Amino acid sequence: DVKVTQSSRYLVKRTGEKVFLECVQDMDHENMFWYRQDPGLGLRLIYFSYDVKMKEKGDIPEGYSVSREKKERFSLILESASTNQTSMYLCASSFSLGGGYTFGSGTRLTVV
Amino acid sequence: GESVGLHLPTLSVQEGDNSIINCAYSNSASDYFIWYKQESGKGPQFIIDIRSNMDKRQGQRVTVLLNKTVKHLSLQIAATQPGDSAVYFCAENIYAAGYSTLTFGKGTMLLVSP
Repeated sequence: DVKVTQSSRYLVKRTGEKVFLECVQDMDHENMFWYRQDPGLGLRLIYFSYDVKMKEKGDIPEGYSVSREKKERFSLILESASTNQTSMYLCASSFSLGGGYTFGSGTRLTVV
Repeated sequence: GESVGLHLPTLSVQEGDNSIINCAYSNSASDYFIWYKQESGKGPQFIIDIRSNMDKRQGQRVTVLLNKTVKHLSLQIAATQPGDSAVYFCAENIYAAGYSTLTFGKGTMLLVSP
């Protein structure tokens, strides 16, 4: 069964910590995405990548960076976590940029 | 996740009823649309898609209707079951800054009572 796997289901981090969220897909997809999901705001695109080592900013990239060293892995980095980054983070991958996405189960991050 | 449902419009139906979930999209140039289902504690799952050269597409118990004139998308679920209870999102493919990406609506919560 094809899947997108996010390494952590729940994370609790302290303000100012550097946080890594990892995502791995086994579908050989070119494109990978990071969204955050908040009540009342829906899914908002943080960053996406259309190829290894390539990245593009989404709608809300501030406070985040990403890394894609291998095709199957896309990491989201919070350089200095803040309480307003408490959220559900969803990783997705797709064969084409505008095509259907396959999502992971999400990482619920709490910054205290 | 479990907090996704807060602040969302909610549709409550009885088991066996037909459900209709609506979505208004923003960009008249969007050429591809998808409906996703998100159950509590899980990531969104693909349900059905439709391209802009169609106005109707049917799947198993689900039908998507596209009205480009008024930029409206609907998802019809036949014989709704308790397992259909979830948050449903529409997504449109938008081309901006040289790339196509999906933009998601805020979602509708469907509650099915036995």
